[in-house]
Amino acid sequence: QLQLQESGPGLVKPSETLSLTCTVSGGSMSSGRSYWDWIRQSPGKGLEWIATIHYSGAATYYNPSLKSRVTVSIDMSKSQFSLRLTSVTAADTAVYYCAGHSPDRGDFHWGQGTLATVSS
Amino acid sequence: QTVVTQEPSFSVSPGGTVTLTCGLSSGSVSNSHVPSWYQQTPGQAPRTLIYNTNIRSAGVPDRFSGSILDNKAVLTITGAQADDEFNYYCVLYMGGGLWVFGGGTTVTVL
Repeated sequence: QLQLQESGPGLVKPSETLSLTCTVSGGSMSSGRSYWDWIRQSPGKGLEWIATIHYSGAATYYNPSLKSRVTVSIDMSKSQFSLRLTSVTAADTAVYYCAGHSPDRGDFHWGQGTLATVSS
Repeated sequence: QTVVTQEPSFSVSPGGTVTLTCGLSSGSVSNSHVPSWYQQTPGQAPRTLIYNTNIRSAGVPDRFSGSILDNKAVLTITGAQADDEFNYYCVLYMGGGLWVFGGGTTVTVL
């Protein structure tokens, strides 16, 4: 059974960089679900897609509204992919979910999510 | 900027039918948008119900179905139960690797 687990600091200061890692277990990162995603949800709000990376690392896709501040990367040797969000503000406080999906499918398989709070 | 639209709320009587829609602020939803639906309880991760318009995820009862009607994606829940009270989100694939979620619909079974 494919499992995804987010990890990272729960508290980040304004203007600093939020770094999160997702560890994938129980399945392959290169077959079936081979696109790996970050999605967030601000308190009491809806879901917002942040970015996707192909398992090869050769393709990355970013939400235009966040593109200037976001970088995603992947480390297949560790079965992990990561998110970096720079220059954070209180508006970036959210539960961050990692997920995976198959090519041309909306079959997102979700991690449990991790709360990242931006506060001094 | 493209906005994906959903009803903020929907109320249904027990045993009734829930019909949730997912549209575009400009244009029509088609199968190429691979519309997909997710169910979420506040504080928990979403669960994928339907993907690519009408494919049920493993373990999802056949009371849940997806379609496209009148230029919108539609999630239909028949025989509504108290257990169906969740927030429901749709997502549309906009091409170029980009996905846009709708604002979500809160379903209440009265």
